[in-house]
Amino acid sequence: GAVVSQHPSWVICKSGTSVKIECRSLDFQATTMFWYRQFPKQSLMLMATSNEGSKATYEQGVEKDKFLINHASLTLSTLTVTSAHPEDSSFYICSASADIAKNIQYFGAGTRLSVL
Amino acid sequence: RKEVEQDPGPFNVPEGATVAFNCTYSNSASQSFFWYRQDCRKEPKLLMSVYSSGNEDGRFTAQLNRASQYISLLIRDSKLSDSATYLCVVGGGGGFKTIFGAGTRLFVKA
Repeated sequence: GAVVSQHPSWVICKSGTSVKIECRSLDFQATTMFWYRQFPKQSLMLMATSNEGSKATYEQGVEKDKFLINHASLTLSTLTVTSAHPEDSSFYICSASADIAKNIQYFGAGTRLSVL
Repeated sequence: RKEVEQDPGPFNVPEGATVAFNCTYSNSASQSFFWYRQDCRKEPKLLMSVYSSGNEDGRFTAQLNRASQYISLLIRDSKLSDSATYLCVVGGGGGFKTIFGAGTRLFVKA
């Protein structure tokens, strides 16, 4: 299957700092990438849909100024958590679709963010 | 009503058992259906797509009933390695939002 690489896998940061997470499709071009957040024992919650070359579409309740998404190429999307606070601590997962019509998503390994 | 609803679980079964997961969805316009598997602290991985005609992959069988807006996953001859959370995923087709169910946790014990 298609491979999606997400980096870093784990990050600890101080409150108020910004953290950038990268999501790369390694062997296919992804016109659409998705960013999810998952709290312990809860389901994946879609944060935003990222389309190459255009602004991301954010889900209701997700602050676009806090969670900056850039999808500059067909193989790379980044999520920057700005001025992180302890309540932002979560598991962030990206996914990419090789064929949006089929709607199969391939997931990165996730980034565990801990904000102290 | 939740957009995608799954059995709350957890399911605790012995090795070799057959276990069935159920999932219902609320949007009748949904067009794509999947089962994903998620191991603890790992990313979800596609287990199988679900078609109206049903599909089978080894010990796993998935069924879709559009009239009842219901999806199922059957695992036969459970293995210890099947222990994971199984996520029901529903989408509307090309470029729409994918909805994940809350997942059903399965524990297979020796």
